[in-house]
Amino acid sequence: AQSVTQLGSHVSVSEGALVLLRCNYSSSVPPYLFWYVQYPNQGLQLLLKYTTGATLVKGINGFEAEFKKSETSFHLTKPSAHMSDAAEYFCALGGGGSQGNLIFGKGTKLSVKP
Amino acid sequence: EAQVTQNPRYLITVTGKKLTVTCSQNMNHEYMSWYRQDPGLGLRQIYYSMNVEVTDKGDVPEGYKVSRKEKRNFPLILESPSPNQTSLYFCASSPDREHEQFFGPGTRLTVL
Repeated sequence: AQSVTQLGSHVSVSEGALVLLRCNYSSSVPPYLFWYVQYPNQGLQLLLKYTTGATLVKGINGFEAEFKKSETSFHLTKPSAHMSDAAEYFCALGGGGSQGNLIFGKGTKLSVKP
Repeated sequence: EAQVTQNPRYLITVTGKKLTVTCSQNMNHEYMSWYRQDPGLGLRQIYYSMNVEVTDKGDVPEGYKVSRKEKRNFPLILESPSPNQTSLYFCASSPDREHEQFFGPGTRLTVL
């Protein structure tokens, strides 16, 4: 069965510090992996995606993620946090189900302290 | 502008009063889907549609209906809403099931 686990429901960093949001997945077929961001009272916006090819994926707003098959991980990073990064982040897994749905993690709320 | 629109954005209703949440996309996408988002549970798929007149149940379909008469529209119908359907609902569309999904702005539903 496919599943996504996001470690840490809340992460707090200082402005300028490294952001690391963790995502591990389980899939019996080659996965498609996505990170979405949700700002308060808004819908989900795609940050970046991995389908095939290069394992280091760059997204919008300075975020990037590395697909590590051996670790079944797809952690999201940003070298320097900005106040505007405060939001909820969702890791999602696709590609393996006949439903075509995305399997979402439960989300990680990122707080950025001044 | 390419987008997914939902209406209404906010709705407060009472138990048993039928309601419809509309969803429309202007990207000519084949695939459309409805999710509900609940605190601590993330997003869960309610129904999906691979194409016109083709719909199927997701993970939490009980109490919901959908239809796909046109490619661009995918309404979500609650025939007899109950308080446990109070949630934040998102419609999404995609060119196909292997690509990222584009989400609407959400509909916050409260059933009293």
